[in-house]
Amino acid sequence: TQLLEQSPQFLSIQEGENLTVYCNSSSVFSSLQWYRQEPGEGPVLLVTVVTGGEVKKLKRLTFQFGDARKDSSLHITAAQPGDTGLYLCAGAWGAQKLVFGQGTRLTINP
Amino acid sequence: NAGVMQNPRHLVRRRGQEARLRCSPMKGHSHVYWYRQLPEEGLKFMVYLQKENIIDESGMPKERFSAEFPKEGPSILRIQQVVRGDSAAYFCASSPPAKTDTQYFGPGTRLTVL
Repeated sequence: TQLLEQSPQFLSIQEGENLTVYCNSSSVFSSLQWYRQEPGEGPVLLVTVVTGGEVKKLKRLTFQFGDARKDSSLHITAAQPGDTGLYLCAGAWGAQKLVFGQGTRLTINP
Repeated sequence: NAGVMQNPRHLVRRRGQEARLRCSPMKGHSHVYWYRQLPEEGLKFMVYLQKENIIDESGMPKERFSAEFPKEGPSILRIQQVVRGDSAAYFCASSPPAKTDTQYFGPGTRLTVL
């Protein structure tokens, strides 16, 4: 059974600070996705990373895929209250189904 | 372009009743996935379907749950004789044929069993 561990589970910081969220597994992913989920809504796809060492940027968000494709990180620069939400990583291991981490609940305080 | 559509958004059932959840994939997507999110837990895969075929149902409970994706119309997740433990948010996702790991999610159906 493939498992994805996200850390931290909860993070509360002040507006303007930087933060990093981690997603780790003992298995090698064929690809990894990051989603953001608002209360009462479905997950919204932020990015898909496929290649080991890959870095993708989405405005103030930077996503990195580990060289060995077992881990990933999401870094947010100068966090804003609008970044508040649940961030989920999901891994695919060749099969079509995604395995999700437990999520990181992020709160940005004004 | 419309995203993945799910209805109803909220569904209340009494124990023993049937629940039917519907999902229309994004235009051009022929692959549909159902996931369940229990309170305070992560999303768990249930089933993967293509038109008229169940490809992977390894996450489906063995009893009372079934899914279909007919040639015409939405995908249906059916739960018979619901119990309180079925209360959860049920999400549908779809993907294009060539990129099955890039899945787009609908808003979910929140099922409450009284």
